[in-house]
This record gives sequence, C-alpha cells and structure tokens, in this order.
Amino acid sequence: ETGVTQTPRHLVMGMTNKKSLKCEQHLGHNAMYWYKQSAKKPLELMFVYNFKEQTENNSVPSRFSPECPNSSHLFLHLHTLQPEDSALYLCASSQELQGADDQETQYFGPGTRLLVL
Amino acid sequence: GESVGLHLPTLSVQEGDNSIINCAYSNSASDYFIWYKQESGKGPQFIIDIRSNMDKRQGQRVTVLLNKTVKHLSLQIAATQPGDSAVYFCAENKGSSASKIIFGSGTRLSIRP
Repeated sequence: ETGVTQTPRHLVMGMTNKKSLKCEQHLGHNAMYWYKQSAKKPLELMFVYNFKEQTENNSVPSRFSPECPNSSHLFLHLHTLQPEDSALYLCASSQELQGADDQETQYFGPGTRLLVL
Repeated sequence: GESVGLHLPTLSVQEGDNSIINCAYSNSASDYFIWYKQESGKGPQFIIDIRSNMDKRQGQRVTVLLNKTVKHLSLQIAATQPGDSAVYFCAENKGSSASKIIFGSGTRLSIRP
C-alpha cells in the first residue's frame, strides 16, 4: 500500500449522472494531484493542489470539478461526462518543499476505473 | 518539442535474465528522472530516481543509468522475476515541483517462464 486510497475503485455512470471520486492520503503530504490515464496514452495531469490551493488546471473541461477541503482529502466531481472520459483516474500526493531545490516524487493511489455510457 | 518517449512499447524477457528498459527525453533542462512500475489494477509505484548530477544509481535489483549527452535513460532489472511483469514508465521533471513531472507512455514487460 502506498498510503493513498481512492474510492470507488470502479464506477459506471451515464452521461447525465453526477458522481464524485474521493482520494485520501495518509502520508502527511501537502500536495495532491488528479491524473487521467487512458489506454496507450501517457498519464495526463489534470489538477494540482498545493497546501489546499489549486495551482494548476491543465485545460480540463468544466465537467470535471476538483475540490480539496484539506491537505489529506481530494475530490473530483463529475457531471455530464462523455464516453471519451472513460479512463483510469489516478490520485497522487507529494511533499512539496517550498524554497527547496530538490524535487519530491509522487505517490499514487490505485485509481478509479470509470466507464461512461 | 518536449517529450519523454520510450523506445519499445513491449519487452519480453526470459525469467532469470536481466531486463533493460530504455527511455529518451528531449529537454536538456530536465534535472530529475523517475522510473515507475504499474501492475495491473494498481497505480504507478515509485521504483528509483536519479538526479542530473549522477550517471548511475542502484537500488535493490534495479539500476538506473542516465546519459545526458544523448538524453537517454535506462532501467536495468537484474534476474527478472514473474513479479516484475508490469508497465514501466519513465518520467522527467523540469522544475523543483513534482507538479512539473512529465510521464512517458510506458513499456510493458512480460516474463517468459
């Protein structure tokens, strides 16, 4: 176990549904991330939260809405998704050292396998 | 443009042999590189990293080599075991924040008995 949990592990939803993905990290990290992983594509960074503040939004459609209530929890709210949004959604966390030159790696959860019908 | 690419999408290795997974990057400003392993049904798992001031770094049964001259990164797995079957990603980081990590598309390693 990496210390990052995600629920649900599998989700099937219609295009008119609203659902939320949940991520929780037990590592004491201060940064959390959402990634999309599609078949045969590199990991796509969607959102970054650093100290609970959103620092990056990589041109993600508004039908994906992130929420970070505290440094340990991250949500991804989904509404009116399209079939092409079907993918594995991965959450990750890291400890960002402000002012430091060294990078810190990310620790990933198991992902939520999403199917949009 | 910038890219982190993998030379081969699949690699088949005899159990017990050494595996070598290659990766090319195009941004000479990248100064931190990571290898991840992703098993079926799981998220990527950190294996080993290397900073640009090093050429080689060893872990448990794994070695990462960095050739900055040709912008090439490799992961060597010694005495490959069935449990090594997975997709392996290289990633580069161009900044001081993990949010700047760029991932490659992955190489699937399969082990022949």
